[in-house]
Amino acid sequence: QVNLVQSGAEMKKPGAAVKVSCKASGYTFTLNAIHWVRHAPGQRLEWMGWINPGNGHTKLSETFQGRVTITRDTSARTVYMQLSSLTSEDTAIYYCARVGHVDTNMVGSFDNWGQGTLVTVSS
Amino acid sequence: DIVMTQSPDSLAVSLGERATINCKSSQTSFFYSSNIENYLAWYQQKPGQPPKLLIYWASIRESGVPDRFSGSGSGTDFTLTISSLQAEDVAVYYCQQYYSSRTFGQGTKVEIK
Repeated sequence: QVNLVQSGAEMKKPGAAVKVSCKASGYTFTLNAIHWVRHAPGQRLEWMGWINPGNGHTKLSETFQGRVTITRDTSARTVYMQLSSLTSEDTAIYYCARVGHVDTNMVGSFDNWGQGTLVTVSS
Repeated sequence: DIVMTQSPDSLAVSLGERATINCKSSQTSFFYSSNIENYLAWYQQKPGQPPKLLIYWASIRESGVPDRFSGSGSGTDFTLTISSLQAEDVAVYYCQQYYSSRTFGQGTKVEIK
């Protein structure tokens, strides 16, 4: 079965960067896009960007103004999300999610999610 | 950007009764349409868990989801219906559009009355 396992909780100081991993199993890694979504306290779910694991192409949310980078290691079946210049406003649970049920343009909903990674930013 | 607005923010329903959640899309720019066709999904989230896909393409139930959950609508107005609320349905429910980028509704908390 499809499984996405994320790295553990992180505590960072303001100005630092964090890198969260998402290891996929149970399907052909290169065939499904992986997106990143975060959920800050009291806020709605917020989309951050996505990667095509097959070719490494990414599309990132303008909200993060170049602070977010998404990469993948196909041999490790793992996608990474790095967020830099952290502030307290970046304290949130970060999720990776796989796209499924796609249309002819490979657009679809998130059919499987990682368990979430809590990132806390505090001085 | 496409903004998704759910109503109500919370609702309390008796066991066995119907729960209905609405979701409406709107655009922040005058020049773009709010119509997201059927690029709409519904998710259920319980405390300490990631969101779980319930409905995709506005009305298709994900495999393994009980048939008391149903989705309807197209264009700008969508509905998630739980036909007979069970105790295990207590959760927060989110709509999400995937027509243009990805945006989520603010969530609707469903409780037992």
